[in-house]
Amino acid sequence: IAGITQAPTSQILAAGRRMTLRCTQDMRHNAMYWYRQDLGLGLRLIHYSNTAGTTGKGEVPDGYSVSRANTDDFPLTLASAVPSQTSVYFCASKGGPTEAFFGQGTRLTVV
Amino acid sequence: GNSVTQMEGPVTLSEEAFLTINCTYTATGYPSLFWYVQYPGEGLQLLLKATKADDKGSNKGFEATYRKETTSFHLEKGSVQVSDSAVYFCALSGGGNKLTFGTGTQLKVEL
Repeated sequence: IAGITQAPTSQILAAGRRMTLRCTQDMRHNAMYWYRQDLGLGLRLIHYSNTAGTTGKGEVPDGYSVSRANTDDFPLTLASAVPSQTSVYFCASKGGPTEAFFGQGTRLTVV
Repeated sequence: GNSVTQMEGPVTLSEEAFLTINCTYTATGYPSLFWYVQYPGEGLQLLLKATKADDKGSNKGFEATYRKETTSFHLEKGSVQVSDSAVYFCALSGGGNKLTFGTGTQLKVEL
């Protein structure tokens, strides 16, 4: 089934550890995004990529990094996790002036 | 920059009641407008969209009209069901492929 796959589904992570959230899409969409969802704050954009080889900072990029080596994959890395990064993370992709498609999310708890 | 403002929740309605969730936006140019729905434990799914002024998006009994003169995209449904209980997000897509979301409105429908 075409769409976006995120992994892991959930994770409990010790503070200070490094973690990479994976995101893969098979729709050949150029644009990909990472959002975090927190109660009362909606979805906030962390990083985005308009096409393979390029990335940009969103609203809340600090503490996160991304790469876009190819069209399909857009991993999000937390270099040294902190408790404030406890959140639900959603990856999305978009092909042109159409709607975005979302993954099922990764629930991350930093303790 | 672009922004989306939607009414705060939770909104609690009885089954078969009329629903309105207000959404207004600020954007340059002519953005596309979307309503997404998030059921418990799931990612966001597109509910409906409108790409130009006066367009009406509709799906599953929900409707929203793109009103450029009032910069609004209010979501309506004539008769809600328990199964409509979810969080609803208004969003816009402006230049550069970026999506901007509102903070979400939780809808609870009771028997």
